[in-house]
Amino acid sequence: GAVVSQHPSRVICKSGTSVKIECRSLDFQATTMFWYRQFPKKSLMLMATSNEGSKATYEQGVEKDKFLINHASLTLSTLTVTSAHPEDSSFYICSARSGFTNSPLHFGNGTRLTVT
Amino acid sequence: GENVEQHPSTLSVQEGDSAVIKCTYSDSASNYFPWYKQELGKRPQLIIDIRSNVGEKKDQRIAVTLNKTAKHFSLHITETQPEDSAVYFCAASFSGSARQLTFGSGTQLTVLP
Repeated sequence: GAVVSQHPSRVICKSGTSVKIECRSLDFQATTMFWYRQFPKKSLMLMATSNEGSKATYEQGVEKDKFLINHASLTLSTLTVTSAHPEDSSFYICSARSGFTNSPLHFGNGTRLTVT
Repeated sequence: GENVEQHPSTLSVQEGDSAVIKCTYSDSASNYFPWYKQELGKRPQLIIDIRSNVGEKKDQRIAVTLNKTAKHFSLHITETQPEDSAVYFCAASFSGSARQLTFGSGTQLTVLP
């Protein structure tokens, strides 16, 4: 089945630094990928929709200058958390759709970000 | 936009019993309803989904029912096993929505041996 690979799985960084998270669709092309943030024991909060070759669409309340999204190819989207702060510590998950609208979403394994 | 409510937030059942998780949605245009299972620290895994042209779908011990008129759908797990313990999320989407999926708040299911 469709596989989405997310890297790194865990990252610890210092306040003020930037962290890049990669999301790859390994065996299919994904024109659209999605980035979520998940707090402990909470649901998945959609942060942005990443569109190949164009600007990402951010959800209300998500700072686009802080969470930079680049979708340079049909198999790779990246999320860069810039000038990270401790409150950015969270579980970030990407997902991609392997087919047309309303086909199942396939999730990456997630990235546990800890900002010290 | 779409709003999905999920109940209960926690559910404990004895091994072998059935578990039922319920969700309601607000947008009558939604036509796709997947359920995901997420174990601690891992990715959500699709376990079953249903589209609005059917009322029920079953896959072994898991079944999902959909009532379009009432705008609610439910997940049924029969003969529960300890490995069913996880967080379950329902979701809804409309084919024309750029947001793809709106998730429910999740249900922590614990199956007691």
